[in-house]
Amino acid sequence: QSVLTQPPSVSGAPGQRVTISCTGSSSNIGAGYDVHWYQQLPGTAPKLLIYGNSNRPSGVPDRFSGSKSGTSASLAITGLQADDEADYYCQSYDNSLSGREVFGGGTKLTIL
Amino acid sequence: QVTLRESGPALVKPTQTLTLTCTFSGFSLSTSGMCVSWIRQPPGKALEWLARIDWDDDKYYSTSLKTRLTISKDTSKNQVVLTMTNMDPVDTATYYCARIGLLNGATDYWGQGTLVTVSS
Repeated sequence: QSVLTQPPSVSGAPGQRVTISCTGSSSNIGAGYDVHWYQQLPGTAPKLLIYGNSNRPSGVPDRFSGSKSGTSASLAITGLQADDEADYYCQSYDNSLSGREVFGGGTKLTIL
Repeated sequence: QVTLRESGPALVKPTQTLTLTCTFSGFSLSTSGMCVSWIRQPPGKALEWLARIDWDDDKYYSTSLKTRLTISKDTSKNQVVLTMTNMDPVDTATYYCARIGLLNGATDYWGQGTLVTVSS
């Protein structure tokens, strides 16, 4: 059971927009800690997609955007492409006994 | 160019101690703000954060695993070592080392990962 809750799967057709939620609590996202998002293509290491809730590292297309409100965060992907099919993970910090850094359970994005 | 590479045994027996080495380049772990974490991923499952060591030698561990983990660094060799005692088949996973740089604490560079199987 992950400290941060994500939907197991989402799907969308090419060109559409999807969002992936990441729900936490008052000891992590709700405490004001930053949320980061990672993309993991099949058989590869995760790649940083969004840092500090809504910032894109150099090279990440502006089709990817992040937001945070209260105890939750969201990743939005617009103009879906076939190579967006991957697992997506959120990450934050937790100040409770559950640990220091915490990941969500991951969301599988399927392109229809 | 920042790179990280994990090395260690591919197969360990139950109850044995696992030692993994992360060799990195392109940054120094003596630079303020730099950190290296270990993260694992069981086959088909989610990422799990294990431990982190900071430039000032502060160390942090997963609460559920801290009695079994030790993280250390050799700044002169650009290496970080993770040991995990009393290995069990449930510890079978791909183990990643990764850098936390200066992007709000985000893990900005990852190694390719190394699969460790625990089996007798």
